[in-house]
Amino acid sequence: GQNIDQPTEMTATEGAIVQINCTYQTSGFNGLFWYQQHAGEAPTFLSYNVLDGLEEKGRFSSFLSRSKGYSYLLLKELQMKDSASYLCAVSDSNYQLIWGAGTKLIIKP
Amino acid sequence: GAVVSQHPSRVICKSGTSVKIECRSLDFQATTMFWYRQFPKQSLMLMATSNEGSKATYEQGVEKDKFLINHASLTLSTLTVTSAHPEDSSFYICSANREGMNTEAFFGQGTRLTVV
Repeated sequence: GQNIDQPTEMTATEGAIVQINCTYQTSGFNGLFWYQQHAGEAPTFLSYNVLDGLEEKGRFSSFLSRSKGYSYLLLKELQMKDSASYLCAVSDSNYQLIWGAGTKLIIKP
Repeated sequence: GAVVSQHPSRVICKSGTSVKIECRSLDFQATTMFWYRQFPKQSLMLMATSNEGSKATYEQGVEKDKFLINHASLTLSTLTVTSAHPEDSSFYICSANREGMNTEAFFGQGTRLTVV
């Protein structure tokens, strides 16, 4: 079966760095997406990785290792507004998005 | 970026009535749109894939006759929840991709449905 695993909840301090991991097992791979979702809102796109390595975009970076079925989202200089759920999704061989359950990130002052 | 508009954003309806949710791609054509449902503290669950000009493809366990999907044009898909019951109360979200399959999904704003 297809499976995406990510931690249920993480807590970090304002101004610090946090890494959210995602491991996956899917039938085929056509890229991995990270989305941010605030409570009661639709997800918003953060990043897309299809090749191995690190993609940096401002305070957010995303890493992919296809051989390990592993990705992480790195958030630097955390701000209170970063408190949200972070969803990992993999595009499978049919280009269908398979979603992780999301990681709830709590930022403390 | 591309814009997908979904409305209504919130709807409260009586048990037994039907509710229609619209999803529009405002600045691109979408031959395929996706409908998701999300219960509190849970992940997005794909309900169906909406294909322009043909029947929708439903995920296992999703009732076709209860969740009617119509994709009449390249910019509009509708989801109708028929004979709604309280257990249908949920957050419904649509998404669409630009042409070229492997691009980010653009989401509508979501619809909070409450059935009383």
